[in-house]
Amino acid sequence: SQELEQSPQSLIVQEGKNLTINCTSSKTLYGLYWYKQKYGEGLIFLMMLQKGGEEKSHEKITAKLDEKKQQSSLHITASQPSHAGIYLCGADPNSGNTPLVFGKGTRLSVIA
Amino acid sequence: DVKVTQSSRYLVKRTGEKVFLECVQDMDHENMFWYRQDPGLGLRLIYFSYDVKMKEKGDIPEGYSVSREKKERFSLILESASTNQTSMYLCASRPGRTPYEQYFGPGTRLTVT
Repeated sequence: SQELEQSPQSLIVQEGKNLTINCTSSKTLYGLYWYKQKYGEGLIFLMMLQKGGEEKSHEKITAKLDEKKQQSSLHITASQPSHAGIYLCGADPNSGNTPLVFGKGTRLSVIA
Repeated sequence: DVKVTQSSRYLVKRTGEKVFLECVQDMDHENMFWYRQDPGLGLRLIYFSYDVKMKEKGDIPEGYSVSREKKERFSLILESASTNQTSMYLCASRPGRTPYEQYFGPGTRLTVT
């Protein structure tokens, strides 16, 4: 079965600093999803990547899927307190329309 | 905007009670899912449904059942609540065709005493 490993497990950064979160799969990714979760709330969909080498951006968050489609990174530029939360990656174990497999999340804290 | 709603944000029930968690989506998605989220264990799939009246077991179905009588509504039932079912429950929906973007509801924090 497919497993997703996220690193780091937690991260504390100073406001204004850049950071990167990684998501590594044990198998080829057919689709890779990034979510953000505030404490005690649901998951907010950020981005979905499907093609090797694909890169998407939303505001100050950029996600990339490597060419081999086994690793994705989420990069936040000039972090702000509003970026704090848990970031989770999810993956399609097959070519669509099957339940996603999730990593255990990366907890991000942004300090002033 | 896709909207997935859950009937309660917080719920407190007693051991042995029958508990219903409701989930409704407004995007005509074919697929719906129930997860529970626990510290250190991440998201675990309980049940999912590809279509009305269809259901499939996920990774941890024991102690739960589901119902999907209408496309937009997916209910999770705890037949006899136990303290080890205290958790955050998250519903999600997803279309049956590309792009397969999956959206989550706000979650229900269930405490069983």
